[in-house]
Amino acid sequence: EVYLVESGGGLVQPDKSLRLSCEASGFTFDDHAMHWVRQVPGKGLEWVAGISWNSCCTGYADSVRGRFTVSRDNAKYLLYLQMNSLRVEDTALYFCARAQYRDFWSGYPVDAFDIWGQGTMVTVSS
Amino acid sequence: DIVVSQSPLSLPVTPGEPASISCRSSQSLLHTNDYNYVHWYLQKPGQSPQLLIYLGSNRASGVPDRFSGSGSGTDFTLTISRVEAEDVGVYYCMQALHTPITFGQGTRLDIK
Repeated sequence: EVYLVESGGGLVQPDKSLRLSCEASGFTFDDHAMHWVRQVPGKGLEWVAGISWNSCCTGYADSVRGRFTVSRDNAKYLLYLQMNSLRVEDTALYFCARAQYRDFWSGYPVDAFDIWGQGTMVTVSS
Repeated sequence: DIVVSQSPLSLPVTPGEPASISCRSSQSLLHTNDYNYVHWYLQKPGQSPQLLIYLGSNRASGVPDRFSGSGSGTDFTLTISRVEAEDVGVYYCMQALHTPITFGQGTRLDIK
């Protein structure tokens, strides 16, 4: 069965860093681009970042560009989100999501997200 | 950024009745390859989102045929032909033509 399992969330102070991980199983990881999407509890969905199958290409929401970095390790079936200079407004449930196909180029059309993890909660507070 | 607006934001439906959700974008989502880059998701209570419809009108694997997507350009509709109790949740449309990807505000469907 296909799974995505996020980890690494928690309580962190403003301006600190945190790294999220997403472990994939049940499918060939490098056949797919991957994304991070976040959701403030009780609110809507916000795309955060995406990465192509071979890490050549990444893209970010304006709200996180320059502070967050998405990466992946295809050998380990892992997706990462390095979050630096965290702000109170970054508090959210962070989902990783699998795109239907492998390619992702910032500024170009994006495939649908066909598998989602259950999310990991990040709380930024002093 | 492309702005995506959904309506209604709340949708109470009697089981067995149809339901429709509208999604409108600030720019056309029709690519030169003739695909509309709008995808629909359902987030059931306490769960992560699940893909329902991709590229405007294609049902994802395992999605019941009572769900259908239509529209082109800037106006799209998700239709449920006969609502069932398990369809309760928040429905989101997502534009995927240009990054940053943006979502509609969500439409909460509940049972009357």
